[in-house]
Amino acid sequence: QQQVKQSPQSLIVQKGGISIINCAYENTAFDYFPWYQQFPGKGPALLIAIRPDVSEKKEGRFTISFNKSAKQFSLHIMDSQPGDSATYFCAASVGGYNKLIFGAGTRLAVHP
Amino acid sequence: EAGVVQSPRYKIIEKKQPVAFWCNPISGHNTLYWYRQNLGQGPELLIRYENEEAVDDSQLPKDRFSAERLKGVDSTLKIQPAELGDSAVYLCASSGGFGETQYFGPGTRLLVL
Repeated sequence: QQQVKQSPQSLIVQKGGISIINCAYENTAFDYFPWYQQFPGKGPALLIAIRPDVSEKKEGRFTISFNKSAKQFSLHIMDSQPGDSATYFCAASVGGYNKLIFGAGTRLAVHP
Repeated sequence: EAGVVQSPRYKIIEKKQPVAFWCNPISGHNTLYWYRQNLGQGPELLIRYENEEAVDDSQLPKDRFSAERLKGVDSTLKIQPAELGDSAVYLCASSGGFGETQYFGPGTRLLVL
């Protein structure tokens, strides 16, 4: 019940395209859903986050869509750029950042 | 402002040897986390400190892992003895407090031969 399932495992997108990464969870007590971006040799960095009282949050080219009834949330990267090539992790927690449960990650490659 | 500092960045040891990782959090951050990230997986929390106190160590394998955070600043994570399955990246993170953003360090990549 603590798992967060992420898909796809890897994703290849052409420059300018839309990248979509999906996550699903079981624990209905989760109330915070962040996305982290990780470049090789670096630690994860917070990209964008959402709480379940809203269905969508947008920051620049990054949008989180949240479907509470389906227990799913997704990250959309609009106008994907080669610099977006990284591994993306969804996560979930109860009570903010108390204990983050991470998905397995999606390796995104954006080709020029 | 300096981020979370970890050392060493890489460590190769033989099984059954001890190893230690060091973390210096962002100045003023009271909450410190140690995570383990296996290859191709997301980070998994090992232990969380609030100042000097370990408030969540339920995922720490206490038979071989230990951690300390003396004076509520720097922290050390130790494995003794190391096993082949301990090969992973060990990440340290810190935050300003409960419910605030976690900032991760670059990690220590451990290889146990």
